[in-house]
Amino acid sequence: ETGVTQTPRHLVMGMTNKKSLKCEQHLGHNAMYWYKQSAKKPLELMFVYNFKEQTENNSVPSRFSPECPNSSHLFLHLHTLQPEDSALYLCASSQESQASGNFGELFFGEGSRLTVL
Amino acid sequence: AQRVTQPEKLLSVFKGAPVELKCNYSYSGSPELFWYVQYSRQRLQLLLRHISRESIKGFTADLNKGETSFHLKKPFAQEEDSAMYYCALSLSNFGNEKLTFGTGTRLTIIP
Repeated sequence: ETGVTQTPRHLVMGMTNKKSLKCEQHLGHNAMYWYKQSAKKPLELMFVYNFKEQTENNSVPSRFSPECPNSSHLFLHLHTLQPEDSALYLCASSQESQASGNFGELFFGEGSRLTVL
Repeated sequence: AQRVTQPEKLLSVFKGAPVELKCNYSYSGSPELFWYVQYSRQRLQLLLRHISRESIKGFTADLNKGETSFHLKKPFAQEEDSAMYYCALSLSNFGNEKLTFGTGTRLTIIP
């Protein structure tokens, strides 16, 4: 498997459930991201991890809890979500170095579509 | 705060006609701008970046700081150009790629 892989692709959960989204990248990148894509809204950056350390939390509610055990894996733990949290959650990775020639290039997964009932 | 605006949600163009997808930004610093594209059943991917001044698949984009715009252009549209296009602005300062995206424009090329 190459690129950025996200599982599950689809998830339906109740407001009291606890679930997790998983992202894995096979590109040797050192930065990973969670984005949220809601209908009629732009992609919203949620979290950024660089070398396993969280470097950005874009005012995300605590019911979303990220985890980055290593540079290749990123999780988004979900707990007591609201219906308005229903969205497509995109994971991305990048090589953090302008010198690498990949400046500004994020590599995205296919997304996990979450529905909260 | 930075903001990216794509005024057109939908754009239909005949094959062979010129294409222009509009993007305006607001940012007090010196921006780095990008166009991302999502073809049907494919993942979001980088199309081109301002800093490289490149032409990809016949598309070009010029940064106009006076008008704070970064419109995407192609002189002759092709059917395979049908896709969702997102303009993005980077706050990266040799660091994380903290991209701010617009809402996107769905381009449809009419045969």
